[in-house]
Amino acid sequence: NAGVTQTPKFRVLKTGQSMTLLCAQDMNHEYMYWYRQDPGMGLRLIHYSVGEGTTAKGEVPDGYNVSRLKKQNFLLGLESAAPSQTSVYFCASSNRVSTDTQYFGPGTRLTVL
Amino acid sequence: KNQVEQSPQSLIILEGKNCTLQCNYTVSPFSNLRWYKQDTGRGPVSLTIMTFSENTKSNGRYTATLDADTKQSSLHITASQLSDSASYICVVISGGSYIPTFGRGTSLIVHP
Repeated sequence: NAGVTQTPKFRVLKTGQSMTLLCAQDMNHEYMYWYRQDPGMGLRLIHYSVGEGTTAKGEVPDGYNVSRLKKQNFLLGLESAAPSQTSVYFCASSNRVSTDTQYFGPGTRLTVL
Repeated sequence: KNQVEQSPQSLIILEGKNCTLQCNYTVSPFSNLRWYKQDTGRGPVSLTIMTFSENTKSNGRYTATLDADTKQSSLHITASQLSDSASYICVVISGGSYIPTFGRGTSLIVHP
């Protein structure tokens, strides 16, 4: 039982490049989330999904797109990376959104030059 | 605007001592409040989850309290250990939308 895994762990992009971050969970959770964490700030919700095939915007969705084609996977895409997207990205999953524990992945450190 | 404020920003204590971290929030409507521990370079790990009707919840040496009237929560750590060195994050979940609002965290350092 690996829990929540994220790939890659580190990535350096040039401005304008695109990439996809992959999140996978093996706990059969319905809900999945993408957050970003910046120095001196709390985690902020980018997008989330309440089930396979459904996604919704969080607090800071601009510049990102997501897809949930399979229940166990949640993809975060950057179509044209900008330096402002330099951050640590965390994926999380839970059974229900309201009161269940969210399990976080180890994070992806992204640098955009 | 929903906000979660944590204090102190950082704290240094000696191993074996107790400490209390504070969290004030303005999130409304309220669903539940969570405390997470985040070790350096790792994802947050849940410590406690409290709903409106719960005043206290414990997880080993960690005890969280919630006063929904004053919109305040605290996390008390008893008999601190070196492994308690981490960032402690308070999160409030909004009722209805269930969008979380994260505090900036309190950085705790436990010295031997």
